[in-house]
Amino acid sequence: AQTVTQSQPEMSVQEAETVTLSCTYDTSESDYYLFWYKQPPSRQMILVIRQEAYKQQNATENRFSVNFQKAAKSFSLKISDSQLGDAAMYFCAYRSALSGSRLTFGEGTQLTVNP
Amino acid sequence: KAGVTQTPRYLIKTRGQQVTLSCSPISGHRSVSWYQQTPGQGLQFLFEYFSETQRNKGNFPGRFSGRQFSNSRSEMNVSTLELGDSALYLCASSSGQVQETQYFGPGTRLLVL
Repeated sequence: AQTVTQSQPEMSVQEAETVTLSCTYDTSESDYYLFWYKQPPSRQMILVIRQEAYKQQNATENRFSVNFQKAAKSFSLKISDSQLGDAAMYFCAYRSALSGSRLTFGEGTQLTVNP
Repeated sequence: KAGVTQTPRYLIKTRGQQVTLSCSPISGHRSVSWYQQTPGQGLQFLFEYFSETQRNKGNFPGRFSGRQFSNSRSEMNVSTLELGDSALYLCASSSGQVQETQYFGPGTRLLVL
């Protein structure tokens, strides 16, 4: 079974600075997808960024980028120019290409942005 | 397009009762997945329905069941509620194709007393 681990329960960053959230996963599969979701206090899960395992290029969405290291099974999220609205719980998630839409989530990292 | 909607948003039940939660996916989406979120266990996959058929199932007891209708709306039922069933229940929809992203609804918060 696949597992996803987020080793940082809490992180904090100053507004306008950069922060990196860590995620590692365990799988024996070669074809899969990785995601970062954000859950603000409203509890609505919002997709931040996704990465296809077959793509070597790291995904980027505006201020959000990932460092995908397939051999190391590592998938970190970098948030640049942090904003107060980035404060939320961040979840790393794995989806196999063989198991439909089933997502396996990490434990989450609570991000605080200080003004 | 309208997003994923879930009803009701909040629910209070007592032990032993049953409950039905509803999820309406984004228009055109045929896959609906359900997740349970608790402080202790985190986010756990319950099941996925695609074109009215259960395509995937997590590790939950048989008290948890679901179904999907021809319009892709899905319902989740929990029978004989236990205190430990108190949680945020999230549903997510997608087209069902493996490369597509899932979009989540706002969740239903269930409290079992």
